[in-house]
Amino acid sequence: EPEVTQTPSHQVTQMGQEVILRCVPISNHLYFYWYRQILGQKVEFLVSFYNNEISEKSEIFDDQFSVERPDGSNFTLKIRSTKLEDSAMYFCASSFLTRNTGELFFGEGSRLTVL
Amino acid sequence: AQSVTQPDIHITVSEGASLELRCNYSYGATPYLFWYVQSPGQGLQLLLKYFSGDTLVQGIKGFEAEFKRSQSSFNLRKPSVHWSDAAEYFCAVGARNRDDKIIFGKGTRLHILP
Repeated sequence: EPEVTQTPSHQVTQMGQEVILRCVPISNHLYFYWYRQILGQKVEFLVSFYNNEISEKSEIFDDQFSVERPDGSNFTLKIRSTKLEDSAMYFCASSFLTRNTGELFFGEGSRLTVL
Repeated sequence: AQSVTQPDIHITVSEGASLELRCNYSYGATPYLFWYVQSPGQGLQLLLKYFSGDTLVQGIKGFEAEFKRSQSSFNLRKPSVHWSDAAEYFCAVGARNRDDKIIFGKGTRLHILP
């Protein structure tokens, strides 16, 4: 069964360092998302991506964040200069259909720890 | 904008007992509604979804949910829980008209007593 894969599963970094989280969405999906979950809190929307551009982003997704689909398979989230409060589990998701009509398929997450 | 509330942070039930997890949403029209489950160390898995039609929706693993427009609710139910159902459950809502995103509730952690 096709699945969304994320790497790394866990990354520890120093504050101020750049981090890139990688995701391989399901191959025929068209819409890509990043969500994050701070420990003990709810899953929060960060950004959605379609047709090689951001379609929507939340207020959390400030200038420190960027997303890219550098080739036909990868979808990356970059945090330019990490802060302590960026420590969270980051989930990538993809869907085939648009505007919430399709099921989101989530990866298992990348845990980011900022020291 | 849409929002969703899960009033129970933790729920504990005995194995074999029935389960109901509450979810209330806020949205100006009928939204798209979802329940996701997150097992420890795992990603989110869709249990069921409501788009339109029959307000009682059947999902995987024996779960069902009922959309009640008058109460703005979409409660998740299971007649008899299994120890493997211990997980965190997230209700989520999507807007019909323009947004691409789905908004999640804070989650309800389900504990199962043997």
